[in-house]
Amino acid sequence: QVQLQESGPGLVKPAETLSLTCTVSGGSISSSYWYWIRQPPGKGLEWIGYIYFRGGTDYNPSLKSRLTISLDTSKSQFSLRLSSVTAADTAVYYCGRGDYDRVDTWGQGNLVTVSS
Amino acid sequence: QSVLTQPPSVSAAPGQKVTISCSGSSSNIGNNYVSWYQHLPGTAPKLLIYDNNKRPSGIPDRFSGSKSGTSATLGITGLQTGDEADYYCGTWDSRLTAVVFGGGTKLTVL
Repeated sequence: QVQLQESGPGLVKPAETLSLTCTVSGGSISSSYWYWIRQPPGKGLEWIGYIYFRGGTDYNPSLKSRLTISLDTSKSQFSLRLSSVTAADTAVYYCGRGDYDRVDTWGQGNLVTVSS
Repeated sequence: QSVLTQPPSVSAAPGQKVTISCSGSSSNIGNNYVSWYQHLPGTAPKLLIYDNNKRPSGIPDRFSGSKSGTSATLGITGLQTGDEADYYCGTWDSRLTAVVFGGGTKLTVL
């Protein structure tokens, strides 16, 4: 059974870059779509983007200019980089696995706070 | 403002049935599959329904999904206190070229 675990700093300063990594265990990273989704405090789920197993990406248009998602198959990891962060980027960040339109496996989430 | 519209909250008594609606448009629900997720605070969301009405392995048949036109519905029968959670619909939006979610519905089992 595939399991996902997010890792990264819990605090990022405004204007800096938020970086998170998701480690995949119990299955192959060489298939499926690999997601990043976030939930700001008190709000709903927001799709950030995903990377296909072949390396192609789709990003949320509202975040596209600041966003990079990458895949490292040798480490069974995929990563998120979000630049020029503001307080509005404070959220629980989830990684996930699924198909192009759904997430069937989720990580536990990593709270990231943007504050000086 | 979410692309998909859900009621903020629903409630029902234990053992009863509840439905949660999700309204969209032709660019999302109308021409794409709908999924439903259960999210208990502090835990990972769980996929309940995919492809409008299919249940992943391990999801009890108390949970069901349906779609008609540009709207979808999640049904839960035999409500249990453990069903208290936030429920989200999601789908692909062909115009936005993005995965979109509803704003979430908080289910209270009275």
